Amino acid sequence: EIVMTQSPATLSVSPGGRATLSCRASQSVSSNLAWYQQKPGQAPRLLIYGASTRATGIPARFSGSGSGTEFTLTISSLQSEDFAVYYCQQYNNWPPLTFGGGTTVEIK
Amino acid sequence: QVQLVQSGAEVKKPGASVKVSCKASGYTFTSYGISWVRQAPGQGLEWMGWISAYNGNTNYAQKFQGRVTMTTDTSTSTAYMELRSLRSDDTAVYYCARKGGSGTLSWFDSWGQGTLVTVSS
Repeated sequence: EIVMTQSPATLSVSPGGRATLSCRASQSVSSNLAWYQQKPGQAPRLLIYGASTRATGIPARFSGSGSGTEFTLTISSLQSEDFAVYYCQQYNNWPPLTFGGGTTVEIK
Repeated sequence: QVQLVQSGAEVKKPGASVKVSCKASGYTFTSYGISWVRQAPGQGLEWMGWISAYNGNTNYAQKFQGRVTMTTDTSTSTAYMELRSLRSDDTAVYYCARKGGSGTLSWFDSWGQGTLVTVSS
């Protein structure tokens, strides 16, 4: 099973600031990585797939990068609606499909 | 637009079974697989398994093998997840999610609203 590790667990950022979230895989997942955003009481929402392709309707301030075992989600200018929990997920080698433990982006 | 609408909250006793439904609309149901993902209170996301809506093939996480059954009804575009021998640590929100990507590429591009299953004596 591929273990996904996200860091930091919590990130405090000022509105308008930049957020950089990390996701590490226990073995290479090539570019087969997705990112999701989840707000309290809501289902997750797909942001990025293929490590760097934005899903339909996702603003350009969200960008993904990386391949192999190291990945980054960057939110370039945080808006109020971006404060949420973010999860990465690998789909290179499954079952099982595996998620990281999440990073909470909170208001500084 | 793609919609996945799940059945309502359930309260079950330990040892019982629960069956959650997920009705799809806005796309050709048999062209996409459905995964089930759960989230315990305050915790992260856990993948339970996947079913092909085309041919009913399934892949279950080893943790749930023998306790979970995923099915589909193509006549109503509905997917089902049944979990048996419920324990208190099965208390969670259960989501259905549509498989994005082709072949083995499997991210989740649409999600149901979630179904809270509470297991309590």
